[in-house]
Amino acid sequence: GESVGLHLPTLSVQEGDNSIINCAYSNSASDYFIWYKQESGKGPQFIIDIRSNMDKRQGQRVTVLLNKTVKHLSLQIAATQPGDSAVYFCADQSSNTGNQFYFGTGTSLTVIP
Amino acid sequence: ETGVTQTPRHLVMGMTNKKSLKCEQHLGHNAMYWYKQSAKKPLELMFVYSLEERVENNSVPSRFSPECPNSSHLFLHLHTLQPEDSALYLCASSPGWGSGNTIYFGEGSWLTVV
Repeated sequence: GESVGLHLPTLSVQEGDNSIINCAYSNSASDYFIWYKQESGKGPQFIIDIRSNMDKRQGQRVTVLLNKTVKHLSLQIAATQPGDSAVYFCADQSSNTGNQFYFGTGTSLTVIP
Repeated sequence: ETGVTQTPRHLVMGMTNKKSLKCEQHLGHNAMYWYKQSAKKPLELMFVYSLEERVENNSVPSRFSPECPNSSHLFLHLHTLQPEDSALYLCASSPGWGSGNTIYFGEGSWLTVV
């Protein structure tokens, strides 16, 4: 079945540095991807999405990169701030699996002041 | 404010109790979802409703019973739960059901079964 995994369960970065969180997916037919941020005690919050016809998309301080050849997705956060401390997880979707989203287990990002 | 409101935020119930979780979305979306989030595990899809019709039922035990009276409201009725059902239950909505529809989550209902 479909699986989505993140490379590292935890990541610590210094405030002001850039963060990179990676995700691998297994379904080569996946065509839509989302990154979510989940702070302690809260629900997942949409950060940014990307469709399979793109390989890069930028938002405010965040960039998502998609490499369909190796089925890899990454989230880059520029100038990481303490408020960025949270669990980040990716999700992918494909019409050949009934349009369900499959979620990764999450990477816990800690920003060190 | 996420546009998806869940109540109660915390619930403790005994194994013989009957309770319900409520979700309301203010986004004008047509699809609503229930997900279960357990520690160290990926989000698990439980139910999907599109235009008040159930479109997915991922082999969820019958002790969980969803209800979608209209496109803005979704309930999860709970009956004779087990301790392993303790988890964060997330409601979500999306503009529609199908490829490319972004899912937006509520803050979740923390359920503890004792």
